[in-house]
Amino acid sequence: GAGVSQSPSNKVTEKGKDVELRCDPISGHTALYWYRQSLGQGLEFLIYFQGNSAPDKSGLPSDRFSAERTGGSVSTLTIQRTQQEDSAVYLCASSLVLSGISGNTIYFGEGSWLTVV
Amino acid sequence: AQSVTQPDIHITVSEGASLELRCNYSYGATPYLFWYVQSPGQGLQLLLKYFSGDTLVQGIKGFEAEFKRSQSSFNLRKPSVHWSDAAEYFCAVTVGQGNLIFGKGTKLSVKP
Repeated sequence: GAGVSQSPSNKVTEKGKDVELRCDPISGHTALYWYRQSLGQGLEFLIYFQGNSAPDKSGLPSDRFSAERTGGSVSTLTIQRTQQEDSAVYLCASSLVLSGISGNTIYFGEGSWLTVV
Repeated sequence: AQSVTQPDIHITVSEGASLELRCNYSYGATPYLFWYVQSPGQGLQLLLKYFSGDTLVQGIKGFEAEFKRSQSSFNLRKPSVHWSDAAEYFCAVTVGQGNLIFGKGTKLSVKP
């Protein structure tokens, strides 16, 4: 597709279960980002990938959170042993190359709404 | 630490009135600056961005923003607001490492 695609769009899970969120970036974009948007917390950076370089994981809130990007394209964000405070919208984004270096526009998907009950 | 401040959490304006949304950043060098808009249940859409050059930048939907280095500000403006502009607006900066740092957002309501 033309834009950043995320799935599932909505996910309800029980506390303690693991969840996987998928992101398909814009074709040809080498940089991929994950953000979390919570009520009252704004947009929080989680992790980014640039090409084959080691990802910047500095925003991941705990070791329950991990992400991988296979083949330089699709990415999966995994949350293990989910907690209620993990409930949020998880936004994926991509850019041609890293925005901080080039100023390239970062394009966002519509997000995966996660509810932990 | 680098930060982005949007001092107004919620603003209400009348349709047809002018709008200014404030954004200040704290960063040593001139960062790349962005304004995004998010409608309810939607992802973020880029309105405009500033990299260098002319400090007044034009964006989509009739928005513009002015970069003022001396004030570390990048305020968003629109001369005449439409009801469809009701949304949440986020200012963001790129700080060199690659990721965007966002402000907390300003929610805009439009009165008929």
